[in-house]
Formats: sequence, C-alpha cells, structure tokens
Amino acid sequence: EAGVAQSPRYKIIEKRQSVAFWCNPISGHATLYWYQQILGQGPKLLIQFQNNGVVDDSQLPKDRFSAERLKGVDSTLKIQPAKLEDSAVYLCASTPLRQGPSGTQYFGPGTRLTVL
Amino acid sequence: GNSVTQMEGPVTLSEEAFLTINCTYTATGYPSLFWYVQYPGEGLQLLLKATKADDKGSNKGFEATYRKETTSFHLEKGSVQVSDSAVYFCALTKTGANNLFFGTGTRLTVIP
Repeated sequence: EAGVAQSPRYKIIEKRQSVAFWCNPISGHATLYWYQQILGQGPKLLIQFQNNGVVDDSQLPKDRFSAERLKGVDSTLKIQPAKLEDSAVYLCASTPLRQGPSGTQYFGPGTRLTVL
Repeated sequence: GNSVTQMEGPVTLSEEAFLTINCTYTATGYPSLFWYVQYPGEGLQLLLKATKADDKGSNKGFEATYRKETTSFHLEKGSVQVSDSAVYFCALTKTGANNLFFGTGTRLTVIP
C-alpha cells in the first residue's frame, strides 16, 4: 500500500512570495490533516478535512494560509504572502473515515520550507 | 486546554542502556495517548499507543503505561540499540476529536 505522498520535498522562497504544497493521502482515507512543524517544536495542526469538507481550521492563519481538497482526495496548502516565521516542515497525514481518536495517523515525508 | 510536556533532549546513551523519556499531559476528559517516532530521513510513524487509564502500549521493545493519577505516559526501553536513534514525540488526542497535540520531541542518539 502506497503511503502519503507530498511534494515538493524542499522549497526555498523569499518573503512575500507565494508557495503551494501538495498532498496525496493513502487511497481510501477520507480524513486529511495538515500540520506545521517549526524547528525544535512538535507538529501543530493547521487544518483537518473530512472528504472535501473542513472539520477544523481554528489554527490556520487565514490571512495568508489557505487549503483546499476539492475532490476529497488530493489537497493543496498555500501560503501567500510568506513570512520568515513560516519557515517550517509542513506535514500531511491521513486516516480512514471511521477511525476514532485512538486511531493511527499516517504521515507523509513532509515539505521543508525555508523563507529568506 | 490540551498540552503535552516532554523531557527535553537531546539524550545520548550507550548501546544496551536503559531508556526513559518522560511525558506528562494536560487534557480534559479521557484522551488517547501516543508515542510517534521520526527516524532520520523518514516521516513520523506511530510507535505505540494507549487509549485508557492503566493501558500499556508496547512495540519494538518500547513500553509506555497510561497513568491517569500522575497524568503521565513515560516511554521506556530496557536495552537500546543504535537503530533506535531518532526523535520521539509524545502526543494526545482529546475526547471526541482526532487531531493530535504533540510535545516538542526528544532526540535520542545511541552510540555503539
């Protein structure tokens, strides 16, 4: 079974530029998460989708971050414009639909963003 | 609110030494507790979990017991190997929700 795929793996941009990250979850997984992991910290949830609907985006800085999952499969996370403090690893994870809070989340390899 | 406090690293041990990484949590209700591990160059993966008080999660020689009275979920291994070198994250999900709250991570290096 293929794992969670993310691209690109690395991205370097200058502040005020825009950037987009892509995630393809495990086949059949209805729930998709985006986490931000700043160096030296644990991952922090940005947004959670169930199919193509948003379940939780309370921690997403909506003035600059946006995310979509139009067909309930792939997802894109965008930052526009980027700030220095957005430098982090962006992780995508997925779970099956009926999995409760005790279930396993499956993580992709992440995209490392550096904002100069 | 929900939070996880982890023992700060880095931790360096000799092969076959005993490992403990402390983790305490703050949460309402009855959270599920997890240890995730990130090996060099790889993504986060579940190491073990426990879903209710006094449960013990175990995997690959690692163990952790859900202690509600001390709000702790300490990770232990009796004899570490070089291949255990990784960053270990303690995490929880709150009752009724699936998103994970992570600690800051503890980097373990095991030397031969």
